[in-house]
Amino acid sequence: DVKVTQSSRYLVKRTGEKVFLECVQDMDHENMFWYRQDPGLGLRLIYFSYDVKMKEKGDIPEGYSVSREKKERFSLILESASTNQTSMYLCASSSGVFGANVLTFGAGSRLTVL
Amino acid sequence: AQKVTQAQTEISVVEKEDVTLDCVYETRDTTYYLFWYKQPPSGELVFLIRRNSFDEQNEISGRYSWNFQKSTSSFNFTITASQVVDSAVYFCALPFFTSGTYKYIFGTGTRLKVLA
Repeated sequence: DVKVTQSSRYLVKRTGEKVFLECVQDMDHENMFWYRQDPGLGLRLIYFSYDVKMKEKGDIPEGYSVSREKKERFSLILESASTNQTSMYLCASSSGVFGANVLTFGAGSRLTVL
Repeated sequence: AQKVTQAQTEISVVEKEDVTLDCVYETRDTTYYLFWYKQPPSGELVFLIRRNSFDEQNEISGRYSWNFQKSTSSFNFTITASQVVDSAVYFCALPFFTSGTYKYIFGTGTRLKVLA
């Protein structure tokens, strides 16, 4: 069964802490995405990557960075967490460059910043 | 501009009722795909269906059916004889090409509550 695994389902961090959210996929997918989900706002794209070491800003990249050193792993980094980054974070992956490709999602990481 | 609108924030129905979830989109592309995903309480979004803009035939899969109309830029989703297990948030999505790959624009989602 194809899978996207996010390392933590629930995290609680303090303001100013550095936070790492890890995402690993076992499907050899080229593309990986980080979304943020908030009530009433749906899914908003933070960053995406279409190849190792490549990264592109999404719609709301401010306050975030990413790292993709290996094809299967895409990390989201909050350099200095703030309370407005409390949210559900969803990682997804897809193969190739084709508009019909299905996104496969992880179970999500719910981050609370105090 | 690429945009997906799901105007229904939340819908509640009683079990066995039929329910339709609306999706209206905007795109500058002449060919495109549209998707529906389901997010159950567990949190993981699950793919339901994709349609090609060339194919406006309705699609039926068990209790689920989809009505795609290019003339009104809509891709609506109907659940017939709803069940409690259908309770979830449903998202409509539209991919478009940018920066080397396809980005996906999601609607804000419709939360469906099916009451026993």
